[in-house]
This record gives sequence, structure tokens and C-alpha cells, in this order.
Amino acid sequence: QKEVEQDPGPLSVPEGAIVSLNCTYSNSAFQYFMWYRQYSRKGPELLMYTYSSGNKEDGRFTAQVDKSSKYISLFIRDSQPSDSATYLCAMSASSGTYKYIFGTGTRLKVLA
Amino acid sequence: EAGVAQSPRYKIIEKRQSVAFWCNPISGHATLYWYQQILGQGPKLLIQFQNNGVVDDSQLPKDRFSAERLKGVDSTLKIQPAKLEDSAVYLCASSLVEGNEQFFGPGTRLTVL
Repeated sequence: QKEVEQDPGPLSVPEGAIVSLNCTYSNSAFQYFMWYRQYSRKGPELLMYTYSSGNKEDGRFTAQVDKSSKYISLFIRDSQPSDSATYLCAMSASSGTYKYIFGTGTRLKVLA
Repeated sequence: EAGVAQSPRYKIIEKRQSVAFWCNPISGHATLYWYQQILGQGPKLLIQFQNNGVVDDSQLPKDRFSAERLKGVDSTLKIQPAKLEDSAVYLCASSLVEGNEQFFGPGTRLTVL
């Protein structure tokens, strides 16, 4: 079993839809949870950075962490064609090397 | 603020040849990371530096990969000799200190023929 599981997609939605992206994990030591957006042939760009459980909102993006279920989500409201990219979740523990463990990424396509 | 710089952006080599990648982190960032991203997968950490010391190189194939960060600023990752399975994007990231958010460069896309 991988430490972090993420559905690779692709996920196609119409413009304006609410998008839900998810990751599950097995390591209960993870305390930091990140979402990155990666456009084709570009490096990952940090979208959200959260610590422990709860919600965090930034513009059209909301990150949720449910540590009891070992489940994290990223919601994108009013999705735009420019949101078309691969979304990577990443996690790390709060001690040791703080090494990031990434999911495989979910490819999202927002149709105009 | 300038981001993480990497060069070259693309490299094509034959198997058994050697190749080197360069990374310049965000100014003032003490921690530097090298990741390997194979097509369709998430990035995998190869090595992490804190200033010029190695913190974690547990997933670095040390028989062929080496990395250094001599003055605690920029870094070089080398592969010698390259294998077909080394074809991937090599990403460099940096963070202010260990545990803070990591910011990525554009990556170097390596193709081994």
C-alpha cells in the first residue's frame, strides 16, 4: 500500500463547476498537508499549505483535512479553463526530515 | 523575489553517458531538495540539503547519482552513467528552513536514449 493515494483521473468538468480533489494516506504521523498545481512542462506551484486538521480557504480554493479518516480534499469553486492542470497532494511529518511524500497527481480539465 | 532557477531545461543523452543539472534556490533559503518525477507519478525526493550538509539521501541511487551544495547556495546533481530508467524530470525545490513550504523550480527534463 502506498503511503499516499490519489486518483490520477483525468477529471473533466464544465466551466463554473465545483471541483473536488482528494487524497488518502496511511501514515498517522503526517501533520503538514499541501496542494500543488502543476501545468504541463512546468514545476509544481504551491496552492495551499495546512497544518493538522480543519479547513483553509484562499480565494476559490478550500483545503480540508480530516485526520481521523486520513483524508484530505481540495475544492475549487467556479472552475475556469485556466485551472486545467495536474493537482498534486503532498504530506509530511512534524519531525525528522520533514520529507514530502507526494500523491501521483490528478489531471483536471475544465471545459469552456 | 526571484524563484528557484534550474538549468538546463532539457537534456537528451545516450545511456552510459554522464549529465549534470544545476539549481539556484531562492535567496536566503537554507534547505534545498532534489526530486525525480517520472511521467505520470508524483515527485520523489532524492536528496535534501540543510545549508551545505546532507539531511536525507536515503532514496538517492548512490552508485550513479551524486549531488553537492558546496557553499550552501547553489547545487549540482550528477548522473554517471545514465540508464534508460533515469528518464524523468529533475526538480529542485527550496525552503526557508526545514519544515517550511517548499518552492519548486521549472525542472530539467532528461531523456536517456
